[in-house]
Amino acid sequence: DTGVSQNPRHKITKRGQNVTFRCDPISEHNRLYWYRQTLGQGPEFLTYFQNEAQLEKSRLLSDRFSAERPKGSFSTLEIQRTEQGDSAMYLCASSLRTSVEQYFGPGTRLTVT
Amino acid sequence: GDSVTQMEGPVTLSEEAFLTINCTYTATGYPSLFWYVQYPGEGLQLLLKATKADDKGSNKGFEATYRKETTSFHLEKGSVQVSDSAVYFCALRRQAGTALIFGKGTTLSVSS
Repeated sequence: DTGVSQNPRHKITKRGQNVTFRCDPISEHNRLYWYRQTLGQGPEFLTYFQNEAQLEKSRLLSDRFSAERPKGSFSTLEIQRTEQGDSAMYLCASSLRTSVEQYFGPGTRLTVT
Repeated sequence: GDSVTQMEGPVTLSEEAFLTINCTYTATGYPSLFWYVQYPGEGLQLLLKATKADDKGSNKGFEATYRKETTSFHLEKGSVQVSDSAVYFCALRRQAGTALIFGKGTTLSVSS
């Protein structure tokens, strides 16, 4: 069991550019979640997938954000036309459908200059 | 809406001191409750959980009891170590939900 992995770990981009992050969940986990964490705050839910279906999106997920999980395994989170307010740690977590426990990856830290 | 409130930090303790980090929640029904820990430069790790009233979660010397009557889930440890220095997050999952709702986190600093 290698745990949840995320790539890249750090991303610096200029305002207006597009960025894409990848998350690989624990292999047998069918649920995958994305959260955003800003400095001094707890993580905030963005969206989650059960297998390849995106079942819930929060109001934080603006039109510039899109997430996919095409084959029910890894997931990508894309941010288009980045803004300075998008600077945050983006966390991915996974779980079994039958379990309340979510396991988090190390996160991708995005800095928009 | 549902929410989690944690005591403000930082909490600064000497090694072997007793630790309490307060957590209260607002939610309907019977949410599941969690404590996560984030060590410097690392991701969130699940520390312990409780899924029904009066359950006690425990792990690595840490404990927390789900108190429905006071809507609380306070984290305790009898004797902290320098290696316990980290940020601790209390979280809930609604009874019929999936997403976790986190508190703002409490920073613990333990000195030798």
